[in-house]
Amino acid sequence: GAVVSQHPSWVICKSGTSVKIECRSLDFQATTMFWYRQFPKKSLMLMATSNEGSKATYEQGVEKDKFLINHASLTLSTLTVTSAHPEDSSFYICSARSDSRNTGELFFGEGSRLTVL
Amino acid sequence: KQEVTQIPAALSVPEGENLVLNCSFTDSAIYNLQWFRQDPGKGLTSLLLIQSSQREQTSGRLNASLDKSSGRSTLYIAASQPGDSATYLCAVRDPNSGYALNFGKGTSLLVTP
Repeated sequence: GAVVSQHPSWVICKSGTSVKIECRSLDFQATTMFWYRQFPKKSLMLMATSNEGSKATYEQGVEKDKFLINHASLTLSTLTVTSAHPEDSSFYICSARSDSRNTGELFFGEGSRLTVL
Repeated sequence: KQEVTQIPAALSVPEGENLVLNCSFTDSAIYNLQWFRQDPGKGLTSLLLIQSSQREQTSGRLNASLDKSSGRSTLYIAASQPGDSATYLCAVRDPNSGYALNFGKGTSLLVTP
């Protein structure tokens, strides 16, 4: 149990286009999901906390208009990178907290590799 | 702000050896600590979760300990195998991060046959 699925696993796009990444909790409900970004040989950096039915909470320095987050259901959060540029190329990973478990454990997706040409 | 440090950054051992990965954190007021495994280009697989009230957790050949007062955790891997080769990440949850996790940079482990 506690499987988180991300799609697509990799995407290549042209500069200026927008890309949407989906994060789904397959066998549990998640009111709260998190989006992280990982640079090579660096820690995972928290970008934002996604809350079902309300606006996402962004970390300092993360542009909310650049990285649009929508959490429309208890099993789906999406991250849209708008007007992507090469510097947005990165590995994006989502995680989810199960509403039915009180352990505080987070479950992570497989990640999405974005390359902007 | 919570800082999580993992030492060593990289480690290479021959198959069969027991090994220890270290994690330290600056703010001891944590809720829990989680160890993950990450294979190249992949997401994170949760290995062990230790609540702040616990001292250790075990799963198979893995044992994680937590000394909250000194801000340290160790991940012990017994009888290492080539399939254990991966990056191991330590992360803590504290009152300032809500349910989000603060990550270390990881230890890259290579187990040679």
